[in-house]
Amino acid sequence: DAGVIQSPRHEVTEMGQEVTLRCKPISGHDYLFWYRQTMMRGLELLIYFNNNVPIDDSGMPEDRFSAKMPNASFSTLKIQPSEPRDSAVYFCASSSHRVMNYNEQFFGPGTRLTVL
Amino acid sequence: GDSVTQMEGPVTLSEEACLTINCTYTATGYPSLFWYVQYPGEGLQLLLKATKADDKGSNKGFEATYRKETTSFHLEKGSVQVSDSAVYFCALSDRNNNNDMRFGAGTRLTVKP
Repeated sequence: DAGVIQSPRHEVTEMGQEVTLRCKPISGHDYLFWYRQTMMRGLELLIYFNNNVPIDDSGMPEDRFSAKMPNASFSTLKIQPSEPRDSAVYFCASSSHRVMNYNEQFFGPGTRLTVL
Repeated sequence: GDSVTQMEGPVTLSEEACLTINCTYTATGYPSLFWYVQYPGEGLQLLLKATKADDKGSNKGFEATYRKETTSFHLEKGSVQVSDSAVYFCALSDRNNNNDMRFGAGTRLTVKP
């Protein structure tokens, strides 16, 4: 398996623009997570899905952030409009609750977002 | 709620020195415990895990023992290498809590030749 795939790997945009980050989880995994990592705040869970349904979005910072999972193999995290304080590395992770009796998460390589 | 507290960094060691990164946890249930490692420019990777009390996780010369009596899961390595330079995250997951995983703040390790 190719692991969790994220695109783009790097994104530079200007304040006010819409940004869409993409994630393809590991095939067969039923949980998908979006995290944000910054020097100041560390690793923060934004939202997670189970079987394509959002379960907990309490970590989503503002209404400017939205996430969707239209099917088991694809998810997006959208920021509209983007602001400089959104600059961070965004990670997607997936796991399988059915296969394992512990909840190891597999992380993608991340998208480094810079908002100018 | 469940949480993890780990030793603040950064930690700088010389090659072949001994490493200990402390991690303690608070949980209401029976969590599984993990150490993840993040190399520069990459995502987090699972380093080792333990699913019940007294279990010892080990990988790449690293070890950690699940101590329920002290609610700890300290990461240890007897002889570090330059290639071990990375950020290390302690984490817990309560399998009864919707797969929610809680990460510590991370500890940056730099190993000098």
